[in-house]
Amino acid sequence: DTGVSQNPRHKITKRGQNVTFRCDPISEHNRLYWYRQTLGQGPEFLTYFQNEAQLEKSRLLSDRFSAERPKGSFSTLEIQRTEQGDSAMYLCASSSWREPQHFGDGTRLSIL
Amino acid sequence: AQSVTQPDIHITVSEGASLELRCNYSYGATPYLFWYVQSPGQGLQLLLKYFSGDTLVQGIKGFEAEFKRSQSSFNLRKPSVHWSDAAEYFCAVAPFGGNKLVFGAGTILRVKS
Repeated sequence: DTGVSQNPRHKITKRGQNVTFRCDPISEHNRLYWYRQTLGQGPEFLTYFQNEAQLEKSRLLSDRFSAERPKGSFSTLEIQRTEQGDSAMYLCASSSWREPQHFGDGTRLSIL
Repeated sequence: AQSVTQPDIHITVSEGASLELRCNYSYGATPYLFWYVQSPGQGLQLLLKYFSGDTLVQGIKGFEAEFKRSQSSFNLRKPSVHWSDAAEYFCAVAPFGGNKLVFGAGTILRVKS
């Protein structure tokens, strides 16, 4: 069990640029989740995959956000035309059915 | 809608003292319940979980939590706090089946020597 891996750990970009984050889940987990955490708040759910199917999306996930999990293994989260309000920690988690979610260390996004 | 309330934003305890962090949830049925801990700049580590059965659950690092259905509470306790326990603690709930977690706003624990 190597844990959930997220890359990069930090991303600094200018407003209006596109960014992409990667998450590698625990290998035997078929469920993968993305959350966003802003300063002083708990994580907020963004989206959920079971294998390669994206089964649930939060209203927080605007049209500028897209997530994929093409082969049911790793996942990417892309933000297009970044805005100041996108600055946050983006957390990925994975699990199996009826098992708790295990989190990665997150990607911290800073928008200049 | 589901919600989770952690009424204490900050708590300071002396090393060796006991600790209780409060968590209340709002949900029609008994959800799955969790406590996670987060150190600065890090992800979340699972401390313990409640799915069903015994309402007193044991977790890692000497933590325990008690589910009280009548109070819709799931409070976290530790009999003797260590300086390394200083971190932020999050209570979370998931509906039966657990497709997503709803988190409280967190409680920051400071430990004074």
